[in-house]
This record gives sequence, structure tokens and C-alpha cells, in this order.
Amino acid sequence: EVQLVQSGAEVKKPGESLKISCKGSGYSFTSYWIGWVRQMPGKGLEWMGSIFPGDSDTRYSPSFQGQVTISADKSISTAYLQWSTLKASDTAMFYCARRESEDFDYWGQGTLVTVSS
Amino acid sequence: SYVLTQPPSVSVAPGQTARITCGENKIGTKSVHWYQQKPGQAPVLVVYDDSARPSGIPERFSGSNSGNTATLTVSRVEAGDEADYFCQVWDSSGDHPVFGGGTKLTVL
Repeated sequence: EVQLVQSGAEVKKPGESLKISCKGSGYSFTSYWIGWVRQMPGKGLEWMGSIFPGDSDTRYSPSFQGQVTISADKSISTAYLQWSTLKASDTAMFYCARRESEDFDYWGQGTLVTVSS
Repeated sequence: SYVLTQPPSVSVAPGQTARITCGENKIGTKSVHWYQQKPGQAPVLVVYDDSARPSGIPERFSGSNSGNTATLTVSRVEAGDEADYFCQVWDSSGDHPVFGGGTKLTVL
């Protein structure tokens, strides 16, 4: 069974750093792109970027380039999304999802990030 | 760049048919995918490649795509179908996905 399991909810202060994770299982982790999607409270889905764990090829949305870093450790089948300096406006739910051709067929359960002083 | 336009809301009585549209110029030339997101849950793929259903998705969910409009049709709507629905295409030129703004389906 394909599963993407994300790390738990986080509460951080502005200016702090954060790294959240997404662990894949039940399939060949190195053979599929993993995408990260942001959903701000009450809003729609925004693609942030994607990584191909097989060779760490990474793509970013222009809206998020330079704001976040996407990485992966294929030895433990885990993808990451990290911030070096959080802002209050980073408060959102973040999903990882497996890309199958042009769609996302499996999604993680989501990680809620709250940034507040 | 693609901008996918969805109606903010669609309402339908139980047992009736709901149609949710996704508009963009020449969207019929693209493959369209649809996701269902129930409150407090992650999105779930319900239709891919315009009209294909993943395993486990009821036949009540169907899709079509032609011209400038793609449509997700939910037949014999049930209370449990109440959710937000998002369409998505792949922007080949920029090599990235594009999501529609989402449609809230309300079951009256």
C-alpha cells in the first residue's frame, strides 16, 4: 500500500527555522517525483515545488523560489520542506504528494505550520 | 500560463446530479485531473486524465473535457460528497502543475 506520512504539526515564532518531512512507503521512492503543496487557511491549493528523489532534481514555483528549500534523503525514503526564516504569512497546511505522470495520485495527511509571536 | 476558472460553489439536492466546471482557453487539449477535499482532510484524486477513475472511486464520479471547459459530474449525489473540488492541469511549457481555485459542493 502506497503511503506518504508527514511529520506532525508545528508552532514556531517568526524568524525561526523549520524542516518538515514526508516519508514514503509501499513503492519505489526513487522512481516518482514528490511535490509540495501549500494550502493557506480557507484557500486553494498552490504548488510550491517538486523533487525527484532518484537524483535530487528539484523544481520550484517562481512564487516560492528562494523562500523554501526542498530536499530528499533516498536512503530513508523521505522528502523535506524547509524554511530558514519563518514569517507569520507562512502559516498554512502543507501537503506532500506523489506525482504520477501529470497528476498527484497519493497525498500525505498534511502538516499544519503555525507561525505566531 | 494557465488560469483555471471554477465556480466558487455548486449546490444540489441529494440524489440529483452535480456538475462542476473548470474553464480555460483550449483546455480540451490538456489532460484534466480532479481532487476531492473533505473538511480537515487531504485532497484525494477522484478523476485523472479527463475521465479515468482511480481504484476505489465510485462510478458516480465521472469527467469530460472538450473545447474550453472540463466538467466533473457527480451523479446521485450523497451527503458524503459534500467537499471542495479542485481541477488541475500540467503546464508543459513551465513543467509545473496548475490548480483551479476550487468549488465547494453543498448538498442541500
